[in-house]
Amino acid sequence: AQSVTQPDIHITVSEGASLELRCNYSYGATPYLFWYVQSPGQGLQLLLKYFSGDTLVQGIKGFEAEFKRSQSSFNLRKPSVHWSDAAEYFCAVGLTRGDKIIFGKGTRLHILP
Amino acid sequence: EAQVTQNPRYLITVTGKKLTVTCSQNMNHEYMSWYRQDPGLGLRQIYYSMNVEVTDKGDVPEGYKVSRKEKRNFPLILESPSPNQTSLYFCASSLNSGANVLTFGAGSRLTVL
Repeated sequence: AQSVTQPDIHITVSEGASLELRCNYSYGATPYLFWYVQSPGQGLQLLLKYFSGDTLVQGIKGFEAEFKRSQSSFNLRKPSVHWSDAAEYFCAVGLTRGDKIIFGKGTRLHILP
Repeated sequence: EAQVTQNPRYLITVTGKKLTVTCSQNMNHEYMSWYRQDPGLGLRQIYYSMNVEVTDKGDVPEGYKVSRKEKRNFPLILESPSPNQTSLYFCASSLNSGANVLTFGAGSRLTVL
């Protein structure tokens, strides 16, 4: 069955430190891959997406993600976090054969001053 | 501004009292979908629509109805709400596919007493 796993429910980092949020998926074909961010009281906003081509993709707010087919992973990174990055982050997989998106359960990011 | 608009944003109701959450998009998107977000469960799809007059069940459709009479509108109907439908609801739309980039509304927080 198709699934998306975000192993970390909560992550805490200090402001200015680097960040990596993990995402693994299970799907029999090459999926579309997404990261969304949900700030408190807000809807989900697209950070970045991967459809094909270069496996390192750049997004908004200084985020990037790398698709690793061999590991079925699509980890999100940022070199230096800001207090405004505190939010919940969702990895999502677009199932090209099922024409739907499935979401991970989310990782809540906390920033220490 | 391209957007998905949901109303109401907040609602408290009682068991059994029918309610409708409206969703409207101004991007001429063909695909629209409803999700509910619950702590620890992430986003789960309730219903989706590929186009006008075409709707289908998602993963958690029980207790909900939808309609798609116009391309821009996709209301979510709770005929007889129960406390287990207390949740945060999101409407989303996509240009032409359920596997592609989704634009989300700001969310509707529903409490059923």
